[in-house]
Amino acid sequence: SYVLTQPPSVSVTPGQTARLTCGGNDIGTRSVHWYQQKPGQAPVLVVQDDNDRPSGIPDRFSGSNSGNTATLTISRVEAGDEADFYCQVYIRSSDLWVFGGGTKLTVL
Amino acid sequence: EVQLVQSGAEVKKPGESLKISCQASGYTFSRYWIAWVRQRPGKGLEWMAIIYPGDSETRFSPSMQGHVTVSVDKSTATVYLEWSSLQAADSAMYYCARRGGKYELNFDYWGQGSQVIVTA
Repeated sequence: SYVLTQPPSVSVTPGQTARLTCGGNDIGTRSVHWYQQKPGQAPVLVVQDDNDRPSGIPDRFSGSNSGNTATLTISRVEAGDEADFYCQVYIRSSDLWVFGGGTKLTVL
Repeated sequence: EVQLVQSGAEVKKPGESLKISCQASGYTFSRYWIAWVRQRPGKGLEWMAIIYPGDSETRFSPSMQGHVTVSVDKSTATVYLEWSSLQAADSAMYYCARRGGKYELNFDYWGQGSQVIVTA
């Protein structure tokens, strides 16, 4: 089965840039999607298809994907960005959706 | 406005059955797959299953196959997730989510979640 690996935690100070990674075998050949989940809330799609932002998502959120690593970049981090972030891919050959284990972003 | 509204919290005993629901509105229900995603306490997201309301075609995660049933009622635009015999390990928050996006590879709208607690 396909595995997506995310670091458990990332810390950043307000105003800095946070880079959250998602590792997977040849993940650069797949479309990667990112969700933000704040405590007690449902996940929200923040980046789709590697680097496209859904309507209403600030342009501080961006993504990239190459080789074995996809990255969600959050610029000018705010206290309100503190949340768990999950990457996700679709495995067409087996018709499965896979989530990474999630990264907790802490804003110091 | 697309909305997915889920049924409320449930407290059940091991061995009992349960059916939770997800009612959709604001779009053409039959044209979008609806998935179920599990989140155990303090853990990450796990895709469980997905159903196409148009013809009830269903796909399951290998780990969920045979343990849950997914169904749809097109007359009420509602998707269901059902257990015939709950286990303590089924205690979790369950989300429904619409398969969407430009290439339909992600989940663009989510329900608010249904909490299931299984305890003796």
